Amino acid sequence: EAAVTQSPRSKVAVTGGKVTLSCHQTNNHDYMYWYRQDTGHGLRLIHYSYVADSTEKGDIPDGYKASRPSQENFSLILELASLSQTAVYFCASSLTGGSQNTLYFGAGTRLSVL
Amino acid sequence: GQQVQQSPASLVLQEGENAELQCNFSSTATQLQWFYQSPGGSLVSLLSNPSGTKHTGRLTSTTVTKERRSSLHISSSQTTDSGTYLCAIHSGYNKLTFGKGTVLLVSP
Repeated sequence: EAAVTQSPRSKVAVTGGKVTLSCHQTNNHDYMYWYRQDTGHGLRLIHYSYVADSTEKGDIPDGYKASRPSQENFSLILELASLSQTAVYFCASSLTGGSQNTLYFGAGTRLSVL
Repeated sequence: GQQVQQSPASLVLQEGENAELQCNFSSTATQLQWFYQSPGGSLVSLLSNPSGTKHTGRLTSTTVTKERRSSLHISSSQTTDSGTYLCAIHSGYNKLTFGKGTVLLVSP
């Protein structure tokens, strides 16, 4: 069974502070993704990566950075957290990026920026 | 960009009733997937169905690609089916575009 683990599961941050969300997968998958979920918007892609040491912008990358130091690990970084970044963040992995692939999601991180 | 509309936004059923969820998308999709999200939980892929009809367990998905619509039928609903059902379209390599989901509540 594919496994994607996110940490922390929840976090409260202050406006202007730095936040790092971590994701670890044991699937030996090449592709990893960060999505955010908001009421009224559904899930939206922030960043993704298909190889270590390289990241790509998704649909809503502004205000976020990503880091892929190894195949197994993918982090999302909010350098200056803002109120609008309060959301639930999901990490996912897939074997390849093609349309036939299944995405495996982590349990999510609930971020509240105050 | 690609848009995905789901209906209804919410649905309340009694156990044993059938559910019909709809997904409409704005342009040709190379792949369409249905996901289930447990209350306050993560997402699990239910099935992929770019065209035609697919069955798995009590779930049946029918996608009519030229009409840009897909449906998910849940037969004999159970309380454990409660949660959010999300439709997602592959809108480019590596990218899924999600609808806002249908929240299903099945009462005993």
